[in-house]
Amino acid sequence: NAGVIQTPRHKVTGKGQEATLWCEPISGHSAVFWYRQTIVQGLEFLTYFRNQAPIDDSGMPKERFSAQMPNQSHSTLKIQSTQPQDSAVYLCASSTTGANTGQLYFGEGSKLTVL
Amino acid sequence: QQKVQQSPESLIVPEGGMASLNCTSSDRNVDYFWWYRQHSGKSPKMLMSIFSNGEKEEGRFTVHLNKASLHTSLHIRDSQPSDSALYLCAASFFNMGYKLTFGTGTSLLVDP
Repeated sequence: NAGVIQTPRHKVTGKGQEATLWCEPISGHSAVFWYRQTIVQGLEFLTYFRNQAPIDDSGMPKERFSAQMPNQSHSTLKIQSTQPQDSAVYLCASSTTGANTGQLYFGEGSKLTVL
Repeated sequence: QQKVQQSPESLIVPEGGMASLNCTSSDRNVDYFWWYRQHSGKSPKMLMSIFSNGEKEEGRFTVHLNKASLHTSLHIRDSQPSDSALYLCAASFFNMGYKLTFGTGTSLLVDP
């Protein structure tokens, strides 16, 4: 079991550029989550999918962030017109679903730096 | 206001000592609590979960839950330098589906 795979591990963009982050969840897991982590804000929820359908995107900054899950093995998080405050580690996690299993398996994260 | 508050922010304990970490929810709709551990430069990994009032022990780790006060605590006995990490408390809420809300964490340093 390779775990949750995230690419790239590090990305540096200039202000105003676009960044796309990829996530491959654990095979057989039906829920995929995106979080971002900063020293100041901690681990913040962005969005999640269940069986590829978007369920809750309440944590997503609406104007520039979007997430998709085109198939069960792949999710993307796209940030348009990146800003310095978008600098963070973006973590993807997957889990089985059921009565609040709560055990999220996180990838190693994609560290985004916006200059 | 954070729905999940953790204290203290940081903690130093001697090797072999007891570490006690606290977590409280400000929302009465809290359903379940989990504890995650994150070593420096790594991703969070689930440590323990607790759903019912009382206590749960796994090796050197003990978790308590008091649902009436919306409070959970994690206790690590015989702390080891390898226990040095960020400890994150997470909660799910009845009206918020499967997502977890995390506290900002307690940074534990075990001093050898």
